[in-house]
Formats: sequence, C-alpha cells, structure tokens
Amino acid sequence: DADVTQTPRNRITKTGKRIMLECSQTKGHDRMYWYRQDPGLGLRLIYYSFDVKDINKGEISDGYSVSRQAQAKFSLSLESAIPNQTALYFCATSDSGGGNTEAFFGQGTRLTVV
Amino acid sequence: SQELEQSPQSLIVQEGKNLTINCTSSKTLYGLYWYKQKYGEGLIFLMMLQKGGEEKSHEKITAKLDEKKQQSSLHITASQPSHAGIYLCGADDTGFQKLVFGTGTRLLVSP
Repeated sequence: DADVTQTPRNRITKTGKRIMLECSQTKGHDRMYWYRQDPGLGLRLIYYSFDVKDINKGEISDGYSVSRQAQAKFSLSLESAIPNQTALYFCATSDSGGGNTEAFFGQGTRLTVV
Repeated sequence: SQELEQSPQSLIVQEGKNLTINCTSSKTLYGLYWYKQKYGEGLIFLMMLQKGGEEKSHEKITAKLDEKKQQSSLHITASQPSHAGIYLCGADDTGFQKLVFGTGTRLLVSP
C-alpha cells in the first residue's frame, strides 16, 4: 500500500460544483501539503499544515480551502470549481523531527473542470 | 520570494550518453530535493542535499550542491531509456519542507 494515498485519482467536474480531494498517509508525519502542477509552471504550494490545529496558506490559496481532520488526513476543497483549476494535484507529507527531511508525495489527482 | 530556475527545459540524449541538469536558487537553501516524475504521474524521490559541497549518488545518478547552497546539478551517467521522464528540483529555504519547485526538465533518451 502507498504511504500517501490520494482519492480520487481522476475527476471530471462541472464549473460551479463543489469538489473535495482527499489525502491520507500512513507515515505518521505531522506535516502535510497540497500542491498543484500545471504544464510549464512546476508545482506550486496551495496550503500546508504542520499539525491538526495548524493551517497555513501557500502561494496560490485563492479558490481553495482545506481541512485537517486528523494527523493522517488532509483534504482540499474547491468550493465552486472553475476551469482554470484544471490541474494535477499532489498531496505531500514530511516529518518535523530531526532536521531537514524528505517530502513524500502521493500519486496525484488529475482534476478537470469543464 | 524564492525563485528556482532549472535548465535545460528539455533534453534529448542518445542512450549511453551522459547528461547534466542544473537548478539555481535565488536564496541560500536549507535543502535541495530532486524528484523524477513519469509523465502525468507521481513524484519519485531521488535525493536530498543539505550541506554545502555535498554530493550524493544512487545507481547512475549523482547530485551535487554547491558550497553556497544555491546551485545544484544532477548528473546521469550512461543514460538509459528508463531514465526518461521529468526531473524536478525543489528548494526548501525555510527548513519546513515548503518546497518551491523548478519548472522541470523533460528528458528523452533515444535508442
């Protein structure tokens, strides 16, 4: 089983619809992140959370919200999806203990807004 | 804000040839991460560099971080078709793994 699991893997939704992307991890990490990837732009940070009670905006948070339901779960919501939110979305986790550590990524959710 | 430039944007090499991908930061880094991505798929962790002058190798891939911790290179020796994909560098300038990514280098290895 994957350490960082994203659901769904693919989703097509209509403009104006609310959609939630879910991320769960079995690594026991306290830090979780949501990124989006667009062609030619690399990955950009949307939101991040350093523990259950901590939520922070990233570079491109407008139009998104998040919820950290538990240490292992971090969901990303699009309240009213728009076509320019079509992208590949990645969840990542890392461990806060003992200096700089690897960030582990999920397999991605491909979202298309029509 | 942190800016990360990656070059080249794309690269086609003949199988067996060596290649180098560069990543330059506008700031001194806590850590520099290299990932590989198959087209449209997840990111596969390759290496993380933290110390100035550090060099790490895994199989035929070697990554180096310069002494100033602002520039990194990824070198592939004797490239193979399995090396094809998108190589991404990610910079951490805060120590909290809030990574800023380069735009990626698309590598194709021709037989």
